[in-house]
Amino acid sequence: EVQLVESGGGLVQPGGSLRLSCAASGFTFSSYWMSWVRQAPGKGLEWVANIKQDGSEKYYVDSVKGRFTISRDNAKNSLYLQMNSLRAEDTAVYYCARVEWEDHIGYWGQGTLVTVSS
Amino acid sequence: QPVLTQSSSASASLGSSVKLTCTLSSGHSSYIIAWHQQQPGKAPRYLMKLEGSGSYNKGSGVPDRFSGSSSGADRYLTISNLQSEDEADYYCETWDSNTLFGGGTKLTVL
Repeated sequence: EVQLVESGGGLVQPGGSLRLSCAASGFTFSSYWMSWVRQAPGKGLEWVANIKQDGSEKYYVDSVKGRFTISRDNAKNSLYLQMNSLRAEDTAVYYCARVEWEDHIGYWGQGTLVTVSS
Repeated sequence: QPVLTQSSSASASLGSSVKLTCTLSSGHSSYIIAWHQQQPGKAPRYLMKLEGSGSYNKGSGVPDRFSGSSSGADRYLTISNLQSEDEADYYCETWDSNTLFGGGTKLTVL
């Protein structure tokens, strides 16, 4: 069974940093593109970042470029999102997701809440 | 990059059918999309992948009541025999190196 379990969320002050993790199991992690998607309170889904199987390609939504870094450790079956210079508008539930056939998300994690507030 | 457009809301009666629409922007009518369901307070759930031909592949455990179809730049999600648990937000998604989501449709079951 495919499982994606996020962790690392919490309350952080504006300008602060946080590192999210996603533990993957039930599939060959190194064979899939992976994504981070977020959802601000009461809002729709917003894609944040994608990473290729070997980490050689990374893509970001414009609003997080230069502040967030997606990475992965295939030996640990783990996906990460390093978030720096956090802003109030980054407040959201962050979901880890597995990409199928390089054209759509096929599995979602349960999400971890990040709150940026003083 | 493509843009996905969805109606913000829809409603239908218990036991009836509803057809939700996701429209791809001009020049992107051949794109594959996926439909996702998000019930209140829960994580999104993948429903199906839908091609421009109308061919679709559903995720594991998705009821037969859910089906997909296409016409030009429009991608449809049809839910038959509506149940109370179908009341949810429905998002379409596509991929172009980046991932893009439609704004979502809030479905109310009357």
